[in-house]
Amino acid sequence: DAGVIQSPRHEVTEMGQEVTLRCKPISGHDYLFWYRQTMMRGLELLIYFNNNVPIDDSGMPEDRFSAKMPNASFSTLKIQPSEPRDSAVYFCASSFQGLSGNTIYFGEGSWLTVV
Amino acid sequence: AQRVTQPEKLLSVFKGAPVELKCNYSYSGSPELFWYVQYSRQRLQLLLRHISRESIKGFTADLNKGETSFHLKKPFAQEEDSAMYYCALSGRGYQKVTFGTGTKLQVIP
Repeated sequence: DAGVIQSPRHEVTEMGQEVTLRCKPISGHDYLFWYRQTMMRGLELLIYFNNNVPIDDSGMPEDRFSAKMPNASFSTLKIQPSEPRDSAVYFCASSFQGLSGNTIYFGEGSWLTVV
Repeated sequence: AQRVTQPEKLLSVFKGAPVELKCNYSYSGSPELFWYVQYSRQRLQLLLRHISRESIKGFTADLNKGETSFHLKKPFAQEEDSAMYYCALSGRGYQKVTFGTGTKLQVIP
């Protein structure tokens, strides 16, 4: 398996534009997470899904952020409209609730810059 | 609520010196604690977890429930240990994992 795949790897956009980040989790994993990484706040959990259903979105900063998981192999995180303070690295991760516990596997991240 | 505190943003040590990365947590139930590492230009990956009681790359971490700590230790730092280290917490049997703000370890040759 190629691991968790994210796209785009880098995005530079102007304030006010819509940004869509994409994620393909590891096949067979039933949990998917979106995290945001900044220097000031470290890794923040934005939202996570179980079997494509959102379980906890309490970390989503505001209504400008939305996430969907239409099927087991795809998820999107959308920011509309984007603002400079949204500049960060956004990580998608997946895991499997199995006997070995809940090791999370991360993607390489999407580096977002909003100017 | 679950919370993880890593008090140091940056820790610099000389090669061969001992390393201790601090992590304290707050959780009302039975916690599972983890250390994740992010090497330069690589993805975050699991380093170790307390239930495995293992040593990975010479690192160990002991869960101290009395002090609610899970400090990461290594007796002799290597240059290749330079990376960002995140302590993480979840409830046993639960998938929601909360991360600390991370500590950047810099090993000076």
